[in-house]
Amino acid sequence: DVKVTQSSRYLVKRTGEKVFLECVQDMDHENMFWYRQDPGLGLRLIYFSYDVKMKEKGDIPEGYSVSREKKERFSLILESASTNQTSMYLCASSPPGIWGQPQHFGDGTRLSIL
Amino acid sequence: GEDVEQSLFLSVREGDSSVINCTYTDSSSTYLYWYKQEPGAGLQLLTYIFSNMDMKQDQRLTVLLNKKDKHLSLRIADTQTGDSAIYFCAERLVDSNYQLIWGAGTKLIIKP
Repeated sequence: DVKVTQSSRYLVKRTGEKVFLECVQDMDHENMFWYRQDPGLGLRLIYFSYDVKMKEKGDIPEGYSVSREKKERFSLILESASTNQTSMYLCASSPPGIWGQPQHFGDGTRLSIL
Repeated sequence: GEDVEQSLFLSVREGDSSVINCTYTDSSSTYLYWYKQEPGAGLQLLTYIFSNMDMKQDQRLTVLLNKKDKHLSLRIADTQTGDSAIYFCAERLVDSNYQLIWGAGTKLIIKP
């Protein structure tokens, strides 16, 4: 069965800290995604990766970076956390997508920046 | 640009059918998806439909696609309290192998 695991369900950090959110998938998927979800705004794509060491900016990359050193792991980094980055963060993965294979999601990390 | 719109809320009585609607603007959609999000959880794929199909049925779920009107709907028959969640529709465009365009989500509220 498909499994995407996010390292933390809840995380509380302070303004200015460097924050790492980790995501691991066990399906050998090429594509991995980081979204943030805010009420009434749906899902907004931060970054995605279509291969190891490859990354592309999504719609809202400012203030974030990513790392994909291994196929199964995709990390989201908040370089210097700010209160406006308090949100629900969702990781997803998918196969290459030629046949419309859907994205599979982790349970999310609810991040609070104080 | 591309846009996907949904109503933010839908309230139905337990046992009735729920119909969640979604409209999209880009006619080059290839696949359209429905996801369910229960409180505090990630998104769970419910079903998806290829854009050359009109309808897809899976147990209590029926997806209807009107490509001319760019309208997608999800019907849940015999709605139960466990169906209470936020439902997202998303489209994938023909020139994208990766990215989806997401609606804001419809919160389904079940009245006893």
